[in-house]
Amino acid sequence: DTGVSQNPRHKITKRGQNVTFRCDPISEHNRLYWYRQTLGQGPEFLTYFQNEAQLEKSRLLSDRFSAERPKGSFSTLEIQRTEQGDSAMYLCASSFPLAISYEQYFGPGTRLTVT
Amino acid sequence: AQKVTQAQTEISVVEKEDVTLDCVYETRDTTYYLFWYKQPPSGELVFLIRRNSFDEQNEISGRYSWNFQKSTSSFNFTITASQVVDSAVYFCALSELGSWGKLQFGAGTQVVVTP
Repeated sequence: DTGVSQNPRHKITKRGQNVTFRCDPISEHNRLYWYRQTLGQGPEFLTYFQNEAQLEKSRLLSDRFSAERPKGSFSTLEIQRTEQGDSAMYLCASSFPLAISYEQYFGPGTRLTVT
Repeated sequence: AQKVTQAQTEISVVEKEDVTLDCVYETRDTTYYLFWYKQPPSGELVFLIRRNSFDEQNEISGRYSWNFQKSTSSFNFTITASQVVDSAVYFCALSELGSWGKLQFGAGTQVVVTP
């Protein structure tokens, strides 16, 4: 099995620009999560998909953030009008469908730097 | 409110010493799951262990062991005979029933193992 992949690995953008990240989960996993991690902190939950349905969004996910998972496969996370406070590592994770007890497998992350 | 507390920010040990990482959690659920993840310098979170709230039996897996005590809401993790490759940030995480499996992470403990 290939693991969770994320692209790009690094993104540098100017304040005010839009950015989009992609996550490809492990193929048989239908649960997909996005987290954000800032320096020196643990990851914070952003949003969750079960197949193509977005079932939960954190209050951290402002109106400038949108996530999709068309056809229940890969997912994209878009940030519009980026701000310097958006600089962080954005992590994607997937897990096996049956129960919340299953561990999540994380991708390598996309590091966003907003200048 | 912070639901997972890792009070130790950094622990430094010499190779072959044991290192114990503390984790205290807070939840009102009777069914929940606790995890430990490792984040090496490469950045990718790696699943280590999982424990559910109904099983307080402590176990050993290779050089890893854990001590789960519901009475004190603690889920401590020990690395026996540490190696330089164990140098990483270690995160404790909580998943509550009804939360779609989302993980709530502590702030992490940096472990530095020197030869």
